[in-house]
Amino acid sequence: KAGVTQTPRYLIKTRGQQVTLSCSPISGHRSVSWYQQTPGQGLQFLFEYFSETQRNKGNFPGRFSGRQFSNSRSEMNVSTLELGDSALYLCASSLAAGPQDGTIYFGEGSWLTVV
Amino acid sequence: AQSVAQPEDQVNVAEGNPLTVKCTYSVSGNPYLFWYVQYPNRGLQFLLKYITGDNLVKGSYGFEAEFNKSQTSFHLKKPSALVSDSALYFCAVGGSSNTGKLIFGQGTTLQVKP
Repeated sequence: KAGVTQTPRYLIKTRGQQVTLSCSPISGHRSVSWYQQTPGQGLQFLFEYFSETQRNKGNFPGRFSGRQFSNSRSEMNVSTLELGDSALYLCASSLAAGPQDGTIYFGEGSWLTVV
Repeated sequence: AQSVAQPEDQVNVAEGNPLTVKCTYSVSGNPYLFWYVQYPNRGLQFLLKYITGDNLVKGSYGFEAEFNKSQTSFHLKKPSALVSDSALYFCAVGGSSNTGKLIFGQGTTLQVKP
């Protein structure tokens, strides 16, 4: 059974550009969450989607957005990139609505460097 | 508001010795607690979780964790450490029963020396 797949794994962007990251959850999983990991701030929650609906959103500016498709695949987009957006972006998937319904699994992440 | 604290930035232990990585939490309602491990340049790997039931939870790679409600702690333990256990460990708490959102501690680096 394939795990959570994130693409691309590594990318370099220039300030002001935008970026789209993709996440394919484990087959059958309907909940997808995104996290940003930086050395200074640690792991911070970005947003969560379940059945194509955003259920939760973290404390990030509107430049960060996401969506989920009918096949549960998810994308996140960051517009007008800033140097501080350089981070490891992690996607997590779980079977259903809450942690009591199944384990939350993470992908390998997408390393974004903004120059 | 939910929160998690990992009081030690780094834990050093000799191979073969028992290890403990500490975690305390603050949550309203029932806690959903997790431990993940991260190796360099990798994502997070699930170790174990506490949802309800037995206070001693057994997980992957010989790890276990003890849930202590009175001390609001969920310490990660292993009876005999391996050099390959050296990694970054994260404790996390689930926000509620109807969301997959996790709140993470700042992480503890475990260094196991031969």
